[in-house]
Amino acid sequence: NAGVTQTPKFQVLKTGQSMTLQCAQDMNHNSMYWYRQDPGMGLRLIYYSASEGTTDKGEVPNGYNVSRLNKREFSLRLESAAPSQTSVYFCASSSGLADGSNEQYFGPGTRLTVT
Amino acid sequence: AQSVTQLGSHVSVSEGALVLLRCNYSSSVPPYLFWYVQYPNQGLQLLLKYTSAATLVKGINGFEAEFKKSETSFHLTKPSAHMSDAAEYFCAVSEGFQKLVFGTGTRLLVSP
Repeated sequence: NAGVTQTPKFQVLKTGQSMTLQCAQDMNHNSMYWYRQDPGMGLRLIYYSASEGTTDKGEVPNGYNVSRLNKREFSLRLESAAPSQTSVYFCASSSGLADGSNEQYFGPGTRLTVT
Repeated sequence: AQSVTQLGSHVSVSEGALVLLRCNYSSSVPPYLFWYVQYPNQGLQLLLKYTSAATLVKGINGFEAEFKKSETSFHLTKPSAHMSDAAEYFCAVSEGFQKLVFGTGTRLLVSP
């Protein structure tokens, strides 16, 4: 039982390049999330997927797109990377109770640098 | 909208001393509250959560937190700090329907 896995662990991009961050969970969770973590700013929600087939914007969606490929997988795409997207990206999943009482489980993160 | 304020970006304690990390929340509905810990170069791990069953919540690694509605607080405590407690701690409030809003984090430094 691996929990939440993310690939790659590290990535360096040049401005304007594109890439996709992959996330998978093996806990049969309904909901999945993408966050970015920047020093002094905590975690900010980029996009989330409440259930398979749905995606919604979070607090900071500009410059990103997501795909909920199936119940297990949720990918984050940067179409044209910018230095402001240098950050650590975390994927998370939860069982998805509508009242919000359930905790989220986090992956190990992807450290992205855009030069 | 819900929000979380963590007072103190850094807290320093000596090994064996009391740990107190502060969290105040703003919520228009009865909140669900969480504390997460992040060790260097790792993801976040749940320490404990409040879901209205009891105001004093016990978590892993000897941590506990008390929900105080009158003070809109959910402070994290541990009676005796250990070197292994050095990490960053995040308080979060549920915004309902599965979304969490995180505080900016408090880095706990433990000295021998």
